[in-house]
Amino acid sequence: DAGVIQSPRHEVTEMGQEVTLRCKPISGHDYLFWYRQTMMRGLELLIYFNNNVPIDDSGMPEDRFSAKMPNASFSTLKIQPSEPRDSAVYFCAGGYGSYNEQFFGPGTRLTVL
Amino acid sequence: DAKTTQPTSMDCAEGRAANLPCNHSTISGNEYVYWYRQIHSQGPQYIIHGLKNNETNEMASLIITEDRKSSTLILPHATLRDTAVYYCIVRVLETSGSRLTFGEGTQLTVNP
Repeated sequence: DAGVIQSPRHEVTEMGQEVTLRCKPISGHDYLFWYRQTMMRGLELLIYFNNNVPIDDSGMPEDRFSAKMPNASFSTLKIQPSEPRDSAVYFCAGGYGSYNEQFFGPGTRLTVL
Repeated sequence: DAKTTQPTSMDCAEGRAANLPCNHSTISGNEYVYWYRQIHSQGPQYIIHGLKNNETNEMASLIITEDRKSSTLILPHATLRDTAVYYCIVRVLETSGSRLTFGEGTQLTVNP
């Protein structure tokens, strides 16, 4: 298994543009998590899914952020419109069961100019 | 979830044991202690977790005090590749899912 796959690995965009981050979790994992990491705020949980259903999106900063999981093998995190303060590394993680380890992807480094 | 306190940074000589402490004095009976680490420019990596008993796996050992108010992660023979930020996380297992709340962690630097 290739592990959690995220794309793109790096994204540079201009303020106001739409950004879509993609995640392919490890096959068989029934939980999927989106995190954001910045120097100021550290690693924050944005939203997580169980069996493709969003369970807790309380960490999503604003309505500009949305996440979907149309099937067990794919999830997206969309920012529309993007702002410079959205610049961060976004991680996708997956896991099986409610207490097992989470497997993180390599992250997407987003820069909004 | 209970708050954790970790030293900001630690140094360790290569080949020696690295002992990383974590205080979690407000931990509840149903909260587990988890350790993750993050090597620079990579995603966090699970290391180990435990409830009451000491745990050991191929990466590390976790020692939890009897009152469960503190724990120590032990890397028995630290290598340069163990240089990373280590996060101690205390969390309750929820039936509908399980969130990890990362603090600031300890920057461990393994020196040659």
